[in-house]
Amino acid sequence: GAVVSQHPSWVICKSGTSVKIECRSLDFQATTMFWYRQFPKQSLMLMATSNEGSKATYEQGVEKDKFLINHASLTLSTLTVTSAHPEDSSFYICSAMHQSTDTQYFGPGTRLTVL
Amino acid sequence: AQSVTQPDIHITVSEGASLELRCNYSYGATPYLFWYVQSPGQGLQLLLKYFSGDTLVQGIKGFEAEFKRSQSSFNLRKPSVHWSDAAEYFCAVGGTDSWGKLQFGAGTQVVVTP
Repeated sequence: GAVVSQHPSWVICKSGTSVKIECRSLDFQATTMFWYRQFPKQSLMLMATSNEGSKATYEQGVEKDKFLINHASLTLSTLTVTSAHPEDSSFYICSAMHQSTDTQYFGPGTRLTVL
Repeated sequence: AQSVTQPDIHITVSEGASLELRCNYSYGATPYLFWYVQSPGQGLQLLLKYFSGDTLVQGIKGFEAEFKRSQSSFNLRKPSVHWSDAAEYFCAVGGTDSWGKLQFGAGTQVVVTP
């Protein structure tokens, strides 16, 4: 089946540092990937759409300079949280669109804690 | 604007009993509808989806959902739950113009008792 991985699964960093999260589609190519954020006991909120070879499109209220997205290949999208602050602590989840099945496959998520 | 409502935050059900999770949506046209399950430490797994056609959709793990346009609902059902069905369930809606951009409901936590 289609598998999406995320790395790291959890990360703790100091305030002011930047953190990169990778999202990979392991056995299929994905021209489109999505990044979500999930707060404890809450739903997923779409942050941005990552398109291979072009700029990401961000949802309203999401700072594009804060959350840098790069989709350099058909199997990899990265989310970089720049100058992280404690309020950026959250669970970040990516998904990849499988074109042939019209289905999104989700990664297991990355727990970010900013001290 | 599209929206998704899952009225039940938490449901407790006995093993072997039936389960129904409610989902109501708001959308200008017929949306694409999904149910996902999230277990701790695992990514969201698609249970089933509705794009068009038969309004009763069969999914994995014995789940089914029925699209009712008149009620703007897409409720998820399972005739007999197993302890392994304990998880968080999310209903999601995608627009027909950009259905990949999903909007999720708040989720329903299902607890299964012996």
